Amino acid sequence: DAMVIQNPRYQVTQFGKPVTLSCSQTLNHNVMYWYQQKSSQAPKLLFHYYDKDFNNEADTPDNFQSRRPNTSFCFLDIRSPGLGDAAMYLCATSRGQSSNQPQHFGDGTRLSIL
Amino acid sequence: GQNIDQPTEMTATEGAIVQINCTYQTSGFNGLFWYQQHAGEAPTFLSYNVLDGLEEKGRFSSFLSRSKGYSYLLLKELQMKDSASYLCAVREADSWGKFQFGAGTQVVVTP
Repeated sequence: DAMVIQNPRYQVTQFGKPVTLSCSQTLNHNVMYWYQQKSSQAPKLLFHYYDKDFNNEADTPDNFQSRRPNTSFCFLDIRSPGLGDAAMYLCATSRGQSSNQPQHFGDGTRLSIL
Repeated sequence: GQNIDQPTEMTATEGAIVQINCTYQTSGFNGLFWYQQHAGEAPTFLSYNVLDGLEEKGRFSSFLSRSKGYSYLLLKELQMKDSASYLCAVREADSWGKFQFGAGTQVVVTP
């Protein structure tokens, strides 16, 4: 089935140790998003790609970066994770400019910081 | 920017009906989406409204009034498995369609 796949489901890293989360999609959607979600809060958009065009939210920390080497894959790099970065990270895709198309989410990666 | 407000929590009995309200203030609007999110899982798409009125999908219905900046999600014949957070999301009317999410309404279904 076409889907959005995130790996790993659970990631533990040490304070300050770089970590990379991955996302792949078989939907051929041109927009890919990374969200951070903490308990009982709304998903917070970190950045998105529209095809190869990268868009960073104004309040996304410099600690967070992203790469999209091709249509199917997108990575979230956290250069020096702090305790406040422990959260669920959600990858989502959508067709751009199609108002009736929802976002499709991966299962998320839950990041813990030791 | 956009503000999206929905109640924090609602409790209802199995078999009952629950209505989750969502109000939004936007500089642009290109559709309102409802998602269901079980604890520790990703959101899953439930329904979509772009025109005023009611959209029905089985036990779930969603209503939109654009002039009032208001939507609701109606859950009928509640089942225990419906216990989850329900997220209201508005798609902005920009070139790529950014989604803004509410914080979610935790629905607790009791026997």
